[in-house]
Amino acid sequence: EPEVTQTPSHQVTQMGQEVILRCVPISNHLYFYWYRQILGQKVEFLVSFYNNEISEKSEIFDDQFSVERPDGSNFTLKIRSTKLEDSAMYFCASRTGQGDTGELFFGEGSRLTVL
Amino acid sequence: GEDVEQSLFLSVREGDSSVINCTYTDSSSTYLYWYKQEPGAGLQLLTYIFSNMDMKQDQRLTVLLNKKDKHLSLRIADTQTGDSAIYFCAESPPGRRALTFGSGTRLQVQP
Repeated sequence: EPEVTQTPSHQVTQMGQEVILRCVPISNHLYFYWYRQILGQKVEFLVSFYNNEISEKSEIFDDQFSVERPDGSNFTLKIRSTKLEDSAMYFCASRTGQGDTGELFFGEGSRLTVL
Repeated sequence: GEDVEQSLFLSVREGDSSVINCTYTDSSSTYLYWYKQEPGAGLQLLTYIFSNMDMKQDQRLTVLLNKKDKHLSLRIADTQTGDSAIYFCAESPPGRRALTFGSGTRLQVQP
């Protein structure tokens, strides 16, 4: 069964460093998302991406964050200068977007630890 | 603003029924969802309900929707230890493509 894959599964970084989290969405999906979950807290929406541009973003997604679809398969989240409070599990998700029920398919997440 | 609320924790005995409750804010949400998160894993869709329905049954799962009160519940019949996980409800307000999740309910099933 097709699935969303994410790398790395865990990354430890120093405050102020740049981090890139990678995702390979399901191949025929058109909408892509990043969510994050700080330990013990809600799953929070960051950004959605469609047709090679951001279609929606939350207040969390400030200038330190960017997303890119550099080729036909990868979808990346970049954090330019990490802060301690960026420590969280980051989930990538995708959906077909064609007459679907809105179901998001999630990857297993990338845990980011900022020291 | 949008906010989806859930109780944080539920403990049941194996074989009993579990009922996980959720309140949501946007009465015009088209679909409402229940996702399951097992330890160390991503979120997996369990079931969803279309907003013009008030009940949906899928094997051991029953979803009840009360649109007037903006209340959604998930009932798991004959709860098993493998059902231990965090359960998230989510709404999809119209005009948005992104889902809004609740804080999750941790279900603990005791043998």
